[in-house]
Amino acid sequence: AQSVTQPDIHITVSEGASLELRCNYSYGATPYLFWYVQSPGQGLQLLLKYFSGDTLVQGIKGFEAEFKRSQSSFNLRKPSVHWSDAAEYFCAVGIYTGTASKLTFGTGTRLQVTL
Amino acid sequence: EAGVTQFPSHSVIEKGQTVTLRCDPISGHDNLYWYRRVMGKEIKFLLHFVKESKQDESGMPNNRFLAERTGGTYSTLKVQPAELEDSGVYFCASSQDRVFRELFFGEGSRLTVL
Repeated sequence: AQSVTQPDIHITVSEGASLELRCNYSYGATPYLFWYVQSPGQGLQLLLKYFSGDTLVQGIKGFEAEFKRSQSSFNLRKPSVHWSDAAEYFCAVGIYTGTASKLTFGTGTRLQVTL
Repeated sequence: EAGVTQFPSHSVIEKGQTVTLRCDPISGHDNLYWYRRVMGKEIKFLLHFVKESKQDESGMPNNRFLAERTGGTYSTLKVQPAELEDSGVYFCASSQDRVFRELFFGEGSRLTVL
């Protein structure tokens, strides 16, 4: 069965510093990979996704992620964090069976940004 | 264009009572999903509707949970009778296709069972 591991439950960075959130997945086939963000009082917003092709994926709000098949990883990065990036971040792997689909999420990483 | 709408945003009930959560997907989206996040744990898949048909309900935890989507528009998720472990946030999502190209989530319905 597929699984997603986000080893960091909570991360604190200073505003302007770089950020990397780790994500490792377990899935037998080529995965569909996603990063979502949930800000307080908001729903889940898609930051970026990887289906195929270029392994470096650009997303919204200045985020990017790199798919590394050899490491089963899909880490999220941002070169300079803004205070508004404080939120909870979820990595997910998507499974499509041909008739149905679903996402398997990691446990999330809560990002705190200090000024 | 309206997004995925869920209500109530927060419901507090006693153990043994019934609660019904509602999700209005984006207009024209045939695919509707329910997920939930129990406190401190990962967001877990519950089920996937295509129009009014349950395509995959493998994530439904037990028969106290009943999801419906009559007419292929809005969906309801009923918990009867509610137990303490049902507390959490229930998310609904919708999409036009089944292959994740654009999956939109609602803000979630927080359920607290006392």
